[in-house]
Amino acid sequence: DIQMTQTPSSMPASLGERVTISCRASQGISNYLNWYQQKPDGTIKPLIYYTSNLQSGVPSRFSGSGSGTDYSLTISSLEPEDFAMYYCQQYDSSPPTFGGGTKLELK
Amino acid sequence: QVTLKESGPGILQPSQTLSLTCTFSGFSLSTYGMGVGWIRQPSGKGLEWLANIWWDDDKYYNPSLKNRLTISKDTSNNQAFLKITNVDTADTATYYCARVMVIITPYYFDYWGQGVMVTVSS
Repeated sequence: DIQMTQTPSSMPASLGERVTISCRASQGISNYLNWYQQKPDGTIKPLIYYTSNLQSGVPSRFSGSGSGTDYSLTISSLEPEDFAMYYCQQYDSSPPTFGGGTKLELK
Repeated sequence: QVTLKESGPGILQPSQTLSLTCTFSGFSLSTYGMGVGWIRQPSGKGLEWLANIWWDDDKYYNPSLKNRLTISKDTSNNQAFLKITNVDTADTATYYCARVMVIITPYYFDYWGQGVMVTVSS
């Protein structure tokens, strides 16, 4: 299975700050990389698919980039509702696997 | 509007079979390209994909659990099911079902249920 490593595992940040979450695959995944947000109540929301395609309804402050083994999710200016867990997920090969998550916390 | 909701037994004993139901609306599993996946999350841990089922009844399983998983669907009643045999405490988790569409990617889950918590305990 392809291992996905997210860094950092937790990130304190302030409102309005620009933040970047990284995700590294154990082998190249050809941009087959998705991002999800999970709120404390367990609700999971899709954000980005195929590295950089924004899910309909997701604010444009979210963006994704990357290639090969290294990918990132950037939030350009943090809003109160953005403090949550974030997971990357590869689907280059089955089984699809998720990163360990990054907890975005209010500083 | 697409919605999904999981239901399950809540608690069961080791060696029993876990039966989960995903009841959905806003799409049909008889429509080309539609699918439902199951993903689970032990408390405080990450996400693990379990299985997908597609409109044409194709099924895909996580090899690490394949021998214990059975995914199925009832198109008429807009439901998908997952059975896990011979459960143990490691199967304690919140179980999610989610929609997938092959026209986007076969493993992009664009709508998720709220999750159902399952505890395996003697």
